[in-house]
Amino acid sequence: QLQLQESGPGLVKTSESLSLTCSVSGGSITSNGYFWGWIRQPPGQGLEWIGTVYYSGTTYYNSSLKSRVTISVDTSKNQFSLNLNSVTAADTAVYYCARLTSYFHPWGQGALITVSA
Amino acid sequence: EIVMTQSPATLSVSPGERATLSCRASQSVNSNLAWYQQKPGQAPRLLIYGASTRATGIPARFSGSGSGTEFTLTISSLQSEDFAVYYCQQYNDWPEGLTFGGGTKVEIK
Repeated sequence: QLQLQESGPGLVKTSESLSLTCSVSGGSITSNGYFWGWIRQPPGQGLEWIGTVYYSGTTYYNSSLKSRVTISVDTSKNQFSLNLNSVTAADTAVYYCARLTSYFHPWGQGALITVSA
Repeated sequence: EIVMTQSPATLSVSPGERATLSCRASQSVNSNLAWYQQKPGQAPRLLIYGASTRATGIPARFSGSGSGTEFTLTISSLQSEDFAVYYCQQYNDWPEGLTFGGGTKVEIK
């Protein structure tokens, strides 16, 4: 069964970059028709789509984050990654990765990223 | 951007009773709507896609309906494990603009 696992630093300093990797197991990231995405959830709040990548490298981003986000894919490692620049306390959240066709399924367990000075 | 609005924010229901959750879109999303369940400390889980199709392994007490701008998630007889937060998500703007509703918390009355 397909499983996704986020990995990242946990704590990031204000104005620096946040980097997370999602490792996919139990299936190939190059499977036709499947996209791969990042979603975040600030503490006690709702869900926000960040962006999506296809194994070819094609990306789609939330317009509200587009200027600060880069999502990339490494097919040799069966992984995809998120980079978010110039972070502030407002970027503190649990970051999830997920597979998607157009809805998200399945999801990784999530990684809490705290932004602090 | 399509805005998704869920109501109520909190729903208090007794075990065994029916729960009806609403999701409204700011413009038509046709049937391009999914529902998720999230329990504390866990990732969201897909319940429904295509507005009314249950995902694999989802019990029949969960049902979705609606199209256009008005959608409903119904839990026919609440079990203890169903107390959670539920989110709707539209994908009519796929792949560019995916948006979620703010969530409805179903709590024990």
